[in-house]
Amino acid sequence: EVQLVESGGGLIQPGGSLRLSCAASGFTVSSNYMSWVRQAPGKGLEWVSVIYSGGTTYYADSVKGRFTISRDNSKNTLYLQMNSLRAEDTAVYYCARASIGTDPFDPWGQGTLVTVSS
Amino acid sequence: QSVLTQPPSVSGAPGQRVTISCTGSSSNIGPGYDVHWYQQLPGTAPKLLIYGNSNRPSGVPDRFSGSKSGTSASLAITGLQAEDEADYYCQSYDSSLSAFNVFGTGTKVTVL
Repeated sequence: EVQLVESGGGLIQPGGSLRLSCAASGFTVSSNYMSWVRQAPGKGLEWVSVIYSGGTTYYADSVKGRFTISRDNSKNTLYLQMNSLRAEDTAVYYCARASIGTDPFDPWGQGTLVTVSS
Repeated sequence: QSVLTQPPSVSGAPGQRVTISCTGSSSNIGPGYDVHWYQQLPGTAPKLLIYGNSNRPSGVPDRFSGSKSGTSASLAITGLQAEDEADYYCQSYDSSLSAFNVFGTGTKVTVL
């Protein structure tokens, strides 16, 4: 079964750092385009970052310079390192797979909540 | 920041047909990039509903259909059912360097 399971969310103070993980099963992370998408409370979906199968990465302007996407091929796991966190980063973070850049996101993980607050 | 515009809400009685529009621009839907649709039930992760403008993944009822024309796309739900009450989002690739993937603003479907 193709599945994604996120972890690592929690309550963090502004300016702090957090690393999210997304463990994949049923497919190989390194052979796919993998993205992070977030959803602030009561708001819509916002694409955050993508890592291509070749390793190239891209970020939304809102997180550029603060977030880093990466993967560990031996663990078949995707990561999102989040630094200099702000209140506006508070959201449920989902990881999702796309085979190529124009493909749909499928599947999605269940999401992990990040709350940035003092 | 969403660059695909959807109506905030639509509603219909059970059995009726509702449509949701998704308006984009020349950097996303316009150049021919596919539009995908997702259904998000309360408290759950989004689920792929329509891909490649009009294709349904296995298991999605044929009550759901999608179409695309120019810089816009539409999702139609015919024979509306209580379990269709959810948020719906369109999504497309964006060729501008600051976006790559863009989502619609989201539409809440209410079954009266």
